[in-house]
Amino acid sequence: QSALTQPASVSGSPGQSITISCTGTSSDVGGYNYVSWYQQHPGKAPKLMICDVNKRPSGVSNRFSGSKSGNTASLTISGLQAEDEADYYCCSYAGSNTWVFGGGTKLTV
Amino acid sequence: QLQLQESGPGLVKPSETLSLTCTVSGGSISSRSYYWGWIRQPPGKGLEWIGTIYYTGSTYYNPSLKSRVTISVDTSKTQFSLKLSSVTAADTAVYYCARGAVIDDAFDMWGQGTMVTVSS
Repeated sequence: QSALTQPASVSGSPGQSITISCTGTSSDVGGYNYVSWYQQHPGKAPKLMICDVNKRPSGVSNRFSGSKSGNTASLTISGLQAEDEADYYCCSYAGSNTWVFGGGTKLTV
Repeated sequence: QLQLQESGPGLVKPSETLSLTCTVSGGSISSRSYYWGWIRQPPGKGLEWIGTIYYTGSTYYNPSLKSRVTISVDTSKTQFSLKLSSVTAADTAVYYCARGAVIDDAFDMWGQGTMVTVSS
């Protein structure tokens, strides 16, 4: 079970859109529609932003969206705001009741 | 409002067993709609799934930690616990407990995390 691959960092200006990729294998990302994304501000617990590849939990801004193609999932944040600056982690179900996280991406706004 | 709170020693000696408890308040720990997990984060690094327990008591562990991990649940106290044996400095991390939703297969509620340092 290897960690999913995410870019170490991405950046964007306020109002712009950015996309963070999350690459796995056919045993995790590609094999199931159970990809979730988490936002983590410094010193805080992660917060669920996207589940089931593209579903937003109640209370999460519609500026956040998710998608998947093959073994790669993506998180897109549109209309970037200063408060979006944080670390973002993808997570995928990997079969047999196991989960695997990505290495994390630092978003700078 | 459901809340999760980790508790346990902040310092553990090498080769000993790390023991943490997560207390769930404001909701049931016995619901078949949810499962309960432990996730850790070494300083400056990413998240690592440790393991999960279901209301039935069934447990599932990260293969890389399986030989050292035990997760249990005490429904009478609405608590679930983590034991990690034979710890080394590599086990130093913030340990989070979290709730997973069966319908979403995602961790939708998290505790604030507790820092555990392995050092003599």
